[in-house]
Amino acid sequence: AQRVTQPEKLLSVFKGAPVELKCNYSYSGSPELFWYVQYSRQRLQLLLRHISRESIKGFTADLNKGETSFHLKKPFAQEEDSAMYYCALRTYNTDKLIFGTGTRLQVFP
Amino acid sequence: DTAVSQTPKYLVTQMGNDKSIKCEQNLGHDTMYWYKQDSKKFLKIMFSYNNKELIINETVPNRFSPKSPDKAHLNLHINSLELGDSAVYFCASSLFSNTGELFFGEGSRLTVL
Repeated sequence: AQRVTQPEKLLSVFKGAPVELKCNYSYSGSPELFWYVQYSRQRLQLLLRHISRESIKGFTADLNKGETSFHLKKPFAQEEDSAMYYCALRTYNTDKLIFGTGTRLQVFP
Repeated sequence: DTAVSQTPKYLVTQMGNDKSIKCEQNLGHDTMYWYKQDSKKFLKIMFSYNNKELIINETVPNRFSPKSPDKAHLNLHINSLELGDSAVYFCASSLFSNTGELFFGEGSRLTVL
């Protein structure tokens, strides 16, 4: 069955520290991975997708098919990065977007 | 000019009641969704409609009945509410059904007493 795992419920770092939010997936087909973010009192929104290979707000994520991972990284965390982050997998055979359980990132000043 | 809007934002009701949550999108998207977020913040898809046709129907009790009168609207009606139905329900839309770029509403927090 398709699954997305985010092992950390909470990740706390100080401003300026590197951040890595882990995401692992299980899917036998060719995956399409995404990161969504929900800032306090805001709606869930797309942060980035693996096919775009883009950097958004300093965040990057690389799809590693060997390790079935799509970790989200930022070299220097900012306080405004504090939010709930969800990794998501789209499955081609069902067109479903399956979310992980989310990781809350807290960046302290 | 909100893109995806849901009403009501908050709903408190007694067990056994019937309630509805409405969703509208003004993005011209073809596909709309309902997701349920439980107390542990886990987001699970419930339904998806593409051009008013049901395309995803997860294992959801048949007390939950979605209705899409047109492709800009997707409503969720819940009969005989149970305590376990307490959650935040998110509506979302996307340009097509085969994309992972979803636009979410603000959520509707349902509390069943």
